[in-house]
Amino acid sequence: EDKVVQSPLSLVVHEGDTVTLNCSYEVTNFRSLLWYKQEKKAPTFLFMLTSSGIEKKSGRLSSILDKKELFSILNITATQTGDSAIYLCATPSGTYKYIFGTGTRLKVLA
Amino acid sequence: GAGVSQSPSNKVTEKGKDVELRCDPISGHTALYWYRQSLGQGLEFLIYFQGNSAPDKSGLPSDRFSAERTGGSVSTLTIQRTQQEDSAVYLCASSLDRSNQPQHFGDGTRLSIL
Repeated sequence: EDKVVQSPLSLVVHEGDTVTLNCSYEVTNFRSLLWYKQEKKAPTFLFMLTSSGIEKKSGRLSSILDKKELFSILNITATQTGDSAIYLCATPSGTYKYIFGTGTRLKVLA
Repeated sequence: GAGVSQSPSNKVTEKGKDVELRCDPISGHTALYWYRQSLGQGLEFLIYFQGNSAPDKSGLPSDRFSAERTGGSVSTLTIQRTQQEDSAVYLCASSLDRSNQPQHFGDGTRLSIL
């Protein structure tokens, strides 16, 4: 059965810290892995990764995929209180479906 | 509209009533998804539409759940004879098509069954 597992489940850090969020997956016919940030309501798209070793960056956020070891990491440097959110990863499963992990709840303290 | 719009944003109803949730996707997006997010849980896939057809209904949790999409645009998710375990946030997402495109989510409908 296809699955996505995220760790840690929750994390509390102070502003300025660097965090690494993990997402491991098992899926037949891997196509892509996606990261989303969910603050209060709608998850917002961060990155889509399809190839190993190519880092995607957006400001202080970056992500990389390892297709051999079946995982991805999301790094956030110099964290700010506005980074507090649930971070979700997901992968397509089968023809139409997407499987999401349960998310990592990040809280950044001032 | 600019983004995915869902209504109502909140719905409180009594057990046994029927509810209808609406999703208005981004214009031009042919793929539409419904998810359910319970407290502390990840997103649970419910159903996918490509245009007006739903080739995969396997995620619907019971036959009390149904969904339709008309005109390749607005979709409604209907829950009949609601139960307390149906309480959750129901999220809708759309994408240009289903082939490896990121999904854009609405703010969801928070459904509470008393």
